[in-house]
Amino acid sequence: QKEVEQDPGPLSVPEGAIVSLNCTYSNSAFQYFMWYRQYSRKGPELLMYTYSSGNKEDGRFTAQVDKSSKYISLFIRDSQPSDSATYLCATRLKAAGNKLTFGGGTRVLVKP
Amino acid sequence: GAVVSQHPSWVICKSGTSVKIECRSLDFQATTMFWYRQFPKQSLMLMATSNEGSKATYEQGVEKDKFLINHASLTLSTLTVTSAHPEDSSFYICSAMGLLNEKLFFGSGTQLSVL
Repeated sequence: QKEVEQDPGPLSVPEGAIVSLNCTYSNSAFQYFMWYRQYSRKGPELLMYTYSSGNKEDGRFTAQVDKSSKYISLFIRDSQPSDSATYLCATRLKAAGNKLTFGGGTRVLVKP
Repeated sequence: GAVVSQHPSWVICKSGTSVKIECRSLDFQATTMFWYRQFPKQSLMLMATSNEGSKATYEQGVEKDKFLINHASLTLSTLTVTSAHPEDSSFYICSAMGLLNEKLFFGSGTQLSVL
């Protein structure tokens, strides 16, 4: 079992819809949770960073962490074609030398 | 967010040659840098962790003599792929973390093609 599981997709939605992305993780000791967006042939771009259970909002993005269920989510409101990319969830354990553990990524396609 | 510059963005080389990739943190001091490798439609695979002034720590299965990492300053880390072969063709990405900043920022990646 991978430490961080993520549905690979692809997830196809019409423009303006809400994109819902999820990850589950197995190590309850993970302390930090991130979402990255990666366009083809580019480095990942940090979208959201959180370390506590609950919701965190930034513009059209909302990150949700449920530590009791070991479940993290990212919601994108009013999706745009420019949101078409691969979204990677990541977790980090400070005691493990700050290394990130990534999910496999979910491909998202927002159709105009 | 912080800026991490990676150069070159793509390189084509002949088999047997060595290729150096640079990763610079432009607006912060990066005490720790990470090097990843990514195959098409796959997630990032951590190759090694480098801390400024000390030897890099390689992940299991990564040949340290093949992938030489140098982190001589707080703003620069380099990855040298020695005696490159076609199987080394991949997308290489660096990332950097500052001393007080718990966030990890990525470079734009380098596509290496070995002929």
